[in-house]
Amino acid sequence: SQQGEEDPQALSIQEGENATMNCSYKTSINNLQWYRQNSGRGLVHLILIRSNEREKHSGRLRVTLDTSKKSSSLLITASRAADTASYFCATDAIASGSRLTFGEGTQLTVNP
Amino acid sequence: EPEVTQTPSHQVTQMGQEVILRCVPISNHLYFYWYRQILGQKVEFLVSFYNNEISEKSEIFDDQFSVERPDGSNFTLKIRSTKLEDSAMYFCASSEGRLNTEAFFGQGTRLTVV
Repeated sequence: SQQGEEDPQALSIQEGENATMNCSYKTSINNLQWYRQNSGRGLVHLILIRSNEREKHSGRLRVTLDTSKKSSSLLITASRAADTASYFCATDAIASGSRLTFGEGTQLTVNP
Repeated sequence: EPEVTQTPSHQVTQMGQEVILRCVPISNHLYFYWYRQILGQKVEFLVSFYNNEISEKSEIFDDQFSVERPDGSNFTLKIRSTKLEDSAMYFCASSEGRLNTEAFFGQGTRLTVV
């Protein structure tokens, strides 16, 4: 598997439900960042979690990081139709300088 | 809220032509990046730039590519002789520092090489 792989690839839920997306990576990291991308648009930064942090919240977003399992999850609570987008994790690996390595993304569809 | 701006939003060019993609990073940021996303694929790192020089580049960033900070605000990516496979969305990003700081991305320039 490659650095920064998300699952599921696609997720379809009803408005009001929670959405959980997972990301796995292979190497040691400084931090992990989550981004949202609406179709054909730019990348919107959601949250950064450092390697020494286990959980972080921002509004309806909750991110966890388990460095022993090399995995992270993004939880969106009380989803809205406007949350429909692709969600990517990106890792800042210790060995890779300043680059971010992105995963394939999860396409989230929130049905009204 | 400060943001990274990119121009143009869409560029169509003939194969073999030179293109310059422009970016204005967030004003107090010191690190600048270019990434690209081929349609349906992952976002890929191209190059990072700090203190007026390239700090890191990927295998994709070959001699066809160059970056420049021509003045205090702009950051450009030049592709000297475009190929069909250069068609992609190109994203500029900037960050305040190198370690453990958020990288903020622009809206992207969609480059179509015909």
